[in-house]
Amino acid sequence: EADIYQTPRYLVIGTGKKITLECSQTMGHDKMYWYQQDPGMELHLIHYSYGVNSTEKGDLSSESTVSRIRTEHFPLTLESARPSHTSQYLCASSEGGRGLSPKNIQYFGAGTRLSVL
Amino acid sequence: KNQVEQSPQSLIILEGKNCTLQCNYTVSPFSNLRWYKQDTGRGPVSLTIMTFSENTKSNGRYTATLDADTKQSSLHITASQLSDSASYICVVSDRGSTLGRLYFGRGTQLTVWP
Repeated sequence: EADIYQTPRYLVIGTGKKITLECSQTMGHDKMYWYQQDPGMELHLIHYSYGVNSTEKGDLSSESTVSRIRTEHFPLTLESARPSHTSQYLCASSEGGRGLSPKNIQYFGAGTRLSVL
Repeated sequence: KNQVEQSPQSLIILEGKNCTLQCNYTVSPFSNLRWYKQDTGRGPVSLTIMTFSENTKSNGRYTATLDADTKQSSLHITASQLSDSASYICVVSDRGSTLGRLYFGRGTQLTVWP
């Protein structure tokens, strides 16, 4: 069982609200990731981090922002939510710093299902 | 464009039967291939991971195969159980970037009936 936690599990909010999706891991992993997944579709990487104070944008353009002030914490923020942001957001983490490691397995949280009305 | 294609899109089998899920990819240069299981409303959980030199990898009733020449992989589930009902996702990593970018398939939705 992976020690990576996401809150809230479900969130329904109105357009224009600011929200923060929380992600924490207790495995001491350097790498953390945020993915967006629509029903029946593949995961798309929207943000990743190599470690503290390191954040990068992923493949899919996203209006969200992330921060990595502590190793274990990687929150995602939407300043003004819109219906187009409705989706499932998955956080993941893996071992290691920079460099390739084929044995790095990503451990996923249970996800946050966001609905913006 | 690097892609991962999975088939079938969905599959229904009876409890106790075997099944095989397919994954074709065009990711290059190839680093490794992983199979994940994603229960409804949950995050994916890793089942197997194989590098270029590995042809087969087992994890209990799950056996994954890899043919790096034809860029194909399969996941065989033996003696299926109701708890096997889930989406099975094929994920391929390249070695052309420091991150080791992951390319995700859309998954095969498996339903096991009693």
